[in-house]
Amino acid sequence: ETGVTQSPTHLIKTRGQQVTLRCSSQSGHNTVSWYQQALGQGPQFIFQYYREEENGRGNFPPRFSGLQFPNYSSELNVNALELDDSALYLCASSSGDKIPQNTQYFGPGTRLTVL
Amino acid sequence: AQSVTQLGSHVSVSEGALVLLRCNYSSSVPPYLFWYVQYPNQGLQLLLKYTSAATLVKGINGFEAEFKKSETSFHLTKPSAHMSDAAEYFCAVRGHNGFGNEKLTFGTGTRLTIIP
Repeated sequence: ETGVTQSPTHLIKTRGQQVTLRCSSQSGHNTVSWYQQALGQGPQFIFQYYREEENGRGNFPPRFSGLQFPNYSSELNVNALELDDSALYLCASSSGDKIPQNTQYFGPGTRLTVL
Repeated sequence: AQSVTQLGSHVSVSEGALVLLRCNYSSSVPPYLFWYVQYPNQGLQLLLKYTSAATLVKGINGFEAEFKKSETSFHLTKPSAHMSDAAEYFCAVRGHNGFGNEKLTFGTGTRLTIIP
């Protein structure tokens, strides 16, 4: 069984640029959630995709957007990068089919540095 | 709305000593609670979870946690610390609406240091 994978592992961008982060969900999972973890903080929920539809969003501006593909992999796009966007971006997959006890399994993360 | 508070951003224990990491939750509905561990430069690994079955939950690597509704707590313990336990630990809460895909709300984390 393949776990959650993310690419790239590290990324350096400058202010104002755009970035795309990718996540492949665990086999059998149809839900992907994205989290931002700033240095020294706990992860903060950005949004979630369930069967290719956005299914909940945290307190992040519209320049954070996402996509989920038919194979349930997902992308996180951030436009007009700001210095405060520097963080570890974590993707988690789960099976969202009305299973209350389901668990989110996390990938290794993408470390984004904005200069 | 759900939230968790982790008491103590840094905890140091001697190798072989008891590990106790504290987590208190706030939830308007019966919560699901989780403990995750994060090693340096890595993602989050699930240690254990409470999903309204047994109140004492056993996880990986010898960790366990007890759900106490009266105290709104879900503290993580391990009887004997090992050097490999040094990491950041996060408590998280999730409500449930029957669909099981609600967001996780994390605490700010506790960094555990093991003293040789």
